[in-house]
Amino acid sequence: GENVEQHPSTLSVQEGDSAVIKCTYSDSASNYFPWYKQELGKGPQLIIDIRSNVGEKKDQRIAVTLNKTAKHFSLHITETQPEDSAVYFCAASNNNAGNMLTFGGGTRLMVKP
Amino acid sequence: GAGVSQTPSNKVTEKGKYVELRCDPISGHTALYWYRQSLGQGPEFLIYFQGTGAADDSGLPNDRFFAVRPEGSVSTLKIQRTERGDSAVYLCASSLDLWNTGELFFGEGSRLTVL
Repeated sequence: GENVEQHPSTLSVQEGDSAVIKCTYSDSASNYFPWYKQELGKGPQLIIDIRSNVGEKKDQRIAVTLNKTAKHFSLHITETQPEDSAVYFCAASNNNAGNMLTFGGGTRLMVKP
Repeated sequence: GAGVSQTPSNKVTEKGKYVELRCDPISGHTALYWYRQSLGQGPEFLIYFQGTGAADDSGLPNDRFFAVRPEGSVSTLKIQRTERGDSAVYLCASSLDLWNTGELFFGEGSRLTVL
């Protein structure tokens, strides 16, 4: 089955700096790669996703890149703000096989004001 | 409601007891997923439904775990003879269908503590 590795497990940045979180996946059949933000006591919330037919996607301060050959994808947050502090999870799935997400272990992002 | 609703939000039980966790998905969503999240880890897939049928239950850890969705909407996750290792947050998610956007909408979870 799919295995997703995520790094780093914790990340501390100064407000206004950029943050980068990286994930690798093992199953070449995976074609959908979402990123979720989880705040304390809440369920994961989708912040951006990318499909295997594109290499990059951007939404305001958030961008995701995908390298299918190397089987890795990354989340980039620019101009970080204290409200970006949360746990971020990457995930991978195969839309053609039920879309069960396999999650990475999470990254705790702390943005210091 | 507007989002995925899960009840109870917290459940404390004793080892050996039976527990039911309920999920009410977003109206119109045909796909429903259960995940389990242990402290400090990412959610782990348990089971998903397309309509009333369990399309894949390969993530259920053993036969003490069972889930139903009799009318294709609300789902119940049932855990028999609970063990301390079952303590976790159980997350439910729904999706418009299996093949559309792929976006899963998660509820806030049911935190289960087995003493």
